[in-house]
Amino acid sequence: AQSVTQPDIHITVSEGASLELRCNYSYGATPYLFWYVQSPGQGLQLLLKYFSGDTLVQGIKGFEAEFKRSQSSFNLRKPSVHWSDAAEYFCAVEGSQGNLIFGKGTKLSVKP
Amino acid sequence: DAGVIQSPRHEVTEMGQEVTLRCKPISGHNSLFWYRQTMMRGLELLIYFNNNVPIDDSGMPEDRFSAKMPNASFSTLKIQPSEPRDSAVYFCASSLGRRSSYEQYFGPGTRLTVT
Repeated sequence: AQSVTQPDIHITVSEGASLELRCNYSYGATPYLFWYVQSPGQGLQLLLKYFSGDTLVQGIKGFEAEFKRSQSSFNLRKPSVHWSDAAEYFCAVEGSQGNLIFGKGTKLSVKP
Repeated sequence: DAGVIQSPRHEVTEMGQEVTLRCKPISGHNSLFWYRQTMMRGLELLIYFNNNVPIDDSGMPEDRFSAKMPNASFSTLKIQPSEPRDSAVYFCASSLGRRSSYEQYFGPGTRLTVT
């Protein structure tokens, strides 16, 4: 069965520092992968998605993610974090029914 | 567009009471999803509809939970009777299609507390 692991429950970075959030997936074929962000008290918003092609995908708000099949990873990155990026981030993979299977999430705190 | 609308935003009820959560999807979207978010289990898909028809309800925890979509603009998730372990945030999402290649748009959620 498909699954997603986000190893880091909580990460704190300083404003202006770079960010990398880890995501590992379990899937037999080429996965469809997603990153969503959830701000406090809000629903989830899609940041970016990977279906095929270029393994480096660009998303909204300056985020990017790189698909690495050999490592079964789809890590999210941002070169310079802003205070407004403080939120919870969810990696997801498409399940066999076309639904989304989410990781447990990584909460990002940003220090001034 | 107003986005996905959920009501109520917060619900506090006593164990044994019936709870009804409501969702209005984005106009034109033909797929609707109900998720539950808890600290322990994360974000879980409960059920989803395509063209108002339930496609997969394998995530519905037990018979106390039921969901309906009487038309393209309205869905309900009902818990009867409610239990403290049902306390969670319930999200509704809609999309143009059932496959994940169509972006899912999430509502703000309903925070349910069962005492």
